[in-house]
Amino acid sequence: SAVISQKPSRDICQRGTSLTIQCQVDSQVTMMFWYRQQPGQSLTLIATANQGSEATYESGFVIDKFPISRPNLTFSTLTVSNMSPEDSSIYLCSVGGGEGYYEQYFGPGTRLTVT
Amino acid sequence: DAKTTQPNSMESNEEEPVHLPCNHSTISGTDYIHWYRQLPSQGPEYVIHGLTSNVNNRMASLAIAEDRKSSTLILHRATLRDAAVYYCILGTSYDKVIFGPGTSLSVIP
Repeated sequence: SAVISQKPSRDICQRGTSLTIQCQVDSQVTMMFWYRQQPGQSLTLIATANQGSEATYESGFVIDKFPISRPNLTFSTLTVSNMSPEDSSIYLCSVGGGEGYYEQYFGPGTRLTVT
Repeated sequence: DAKTTQPNSMESNEEEPVHLPCNHSTISGTDYIHWYRQLPSQGPEYVIHGLTSNVNNRMASLAIAEDRKSSTLILHRATLRDAAVYYCILGTSYDKVIFGPGTSLSVIP
């Protein structure tokens, strides 16, 4: 298993600003993922972040809006840029995947409110 | 991506078994069946996965139809803590996890 922490746990931000969310894992992992969960909805995958390569974004998400860094095997950041109220969501990171690993582990999430 | 179909919501009485169904008629031969659940105000947590045979672990059992076009997650004795959204997801170990709407399970005391 893996233990994942996220910072901040929640934040209230003004529109037009940016917020960087940190994801720390207690072990080295190959694959990390970032999700968004809008109020009352299921989770939507934003991007896959593998160490040493550019993040791969899902349809509807772009690097300019959600830049991701993956400097090593235990850490990643997601930035929500030029925020609008529509970006108010819970953002979650998860780890897992790779040969033989069928389980993904999720962080507690970062609750973002944009005013 | 292979799709799954689940009921939007289900109810169960506390201490009774719960059978959560999932249909996946387009499942491929290499797709595993995964179940996750999300408790209120928490991130999702892994429950169980299987390929062809029924599987048991400390949390639940997974019953897989012989043709693999459907499966059932079984909670043997529902507790209030089992109230959550349950997601049935297909994929391999290399796949990203794509969530559908899931089944919202309510447990009645």
